[in-house]
Amino acid sequence: GENVEQHPSTLSVQEGDSAVIKCTYSDSASNYFPWYKQELGKRPQLIIDIRSNVGEKKDQRIAVTLNKTAKHFSLHITETQPEDSAVYFCAAVSSGGYNKLIFGAGTRLAVHP
Amino acid sequence: EAGVAQSPRYKIIEKRQSVAFWCNPISGHATLYWYQQILGQGPKLLIQFQNNGVVDDSQLPKDRFSAERLKGVDSTLKIQPAKLEDSAVYLCASSQQGGWTTEAFFGQGTRLTVV
Repeated sequence: GENVEQHPSTLSVQEGDSAVIKCTYSDSASNYFPWYKQELGKRPQLIIDIRSNVGEKKDQRIAVTLNKTAKHFSLHITETQPEDSAVYFCAAVSSGGYNKLIFGAGTRLAVHP
Repeated sequence: EAGVAQSPRYKIIEKRQSVAFWCNPISGHATLYWYQQILGQGPKLLIQFQNNGVVDDSQLPKDRFSAERLKGVDSTLKIQPAKLEDSAVYLCASSQQGGWTTEAFFGQGTRLTVV
């Protein structure tokens, strides 16, 4: 079945450094790739997304890239701040069915002042 | 707009008891998802509804879990009987149907502890 792999599981950076989280997906029919941020005890919230007809998207300090051939997509956070500390989930939506939304296992990002 | 509502927020039950969770999606959202999130893991899709029909329940343990979405709006997820390994946060999410707009909005979740 559909699968989304996410790496690393934990990431620790110093404030101001960049952070990169990588995901791969198995379903070639996937066409939408959202990224969610989940703070402790809170619900996942969408921070950025990318569609399969675009290779890169940027929103202030965050950017996503997509390589459809390799079935890879990545989240890049620049100039990290302590408030970026959270768990980040990548996900993939397959157009082959009713927008089935499958999540990766998550990356716990810690930004140290 | 109002968000996805879930209740209860917390529930503690003994193993072999039953429990039910309720979800009210965002008005007009045709797709409703139930996820199980075990501590330290990503959300695992249990069941997906399109209006009032099930479109995916491949990961739902059907011997003990059931879900329904009457009239294509509210949904309930039930566990009977519960096991210790069912301890998790149960998240409900909804999204508009089809097209490029597939952002899923999540509720606060129900934290279930089975003792």
